[in-house]
Amino acid sequence: EVQLVESGGGLVQPGGSLRLSCAASGFTVRDYYMSWVRQAPGEGLEWVSVTYIGGTTSYAESVKGRFTIFRDDSKNTLHLQVNSLRADDTAVYYCARAPYSANYRGVIDLWGQGTLVTVSS
Amino acid sequence: DIQMTQSPSSLSASVGDRVTITCRASPGITNYLAWFQQKPGKVPRLLIYSASTLQSGVPSRFSGSGSGTDFTLTISSLQPEDVATYYCQRYNSVPFTFGPGTKVDIK
Repeated sequence: EVQLVESGGGLVQPGGSLRLSCAASGFTVRDYYMSWVRQAPGEGLEWVSVTYIGGTTSYAESVKGRFTIFRDDSKNTLHLQVNSLRADDTAVYYCARAPYSANYRGVIDLWGQGTLVTVSS
Repeated sequence: DIQMTQSPSSLSASVGDRVTITCRASPGITNYLAWFQQKPGKVPRLLIYSASTLQSGVPSRFSGSGSGTDFTLTISSLQPEDVATYYCQRYNSVPFTFGPGTKVDIK
C-alpha cells in the first residue's frame, strides 16, 4: 500500500527541539519531491519545506535557520529536525509526496496523517 | 511579495447549486496551480492540478480553470459530501504557498 506515516510529534517547551519522521511505503522517497506542510489548530495550510529529487532543499521564511529537512534513503524515510521551537510552531505537521513528471510537475498527490507538535511551557 | 488570495472566505449554498471559488496569484504562475479539499478532521486531498486537470478518482462535478494570476474552482452541483475547506496552492517555485482557504457548507 502506498502511504506515508508520520511520527515524532509531542509536547515540547519553547526553545526545544524535535525530530519528525515520515516513513514511506509503496514507493521510493528519493524519486519524488518530498515536502512538510503544517496546519496550526483551526488555521489553514502552511508549506514548510521541500527536498527535491537531487537532495536540494528549500524552506519557508518562517522556519529558515531553525528547521532542517533530510532524507534517509536507506530507510525510505523523510525527516524534519525542528529546533528553537516557538509557540507559533504549534501545528499538525504533514509529510507529503509530490511526483515530478510531465503531468504532475511537483504537485502534492499524497499526504500522511500528520503528527501534532505542541510548543508550550 | 508572493501572495495567494482566495474569495470568498466562506460560503453557504444549497444542494444542487453551482459553487465558484476564486484564487488569485501574485505574481503570475502560468498554470502551476492546484486545488485541495480538506474535510473536517481529515487530511487534504488533491482535486485539480495544472489549474484544470482533474485528479484521478475526483468526481466530474469539480472543475478548474484559469492561467497566470486568476483561477477558479467550480462545483457544478453541490453535494452534502462536498462540505469542506478548499485551498489553492502555487507550485511553480518556492515558496509553495497555499491560499487561506474557502469554507463551504450547506444552507
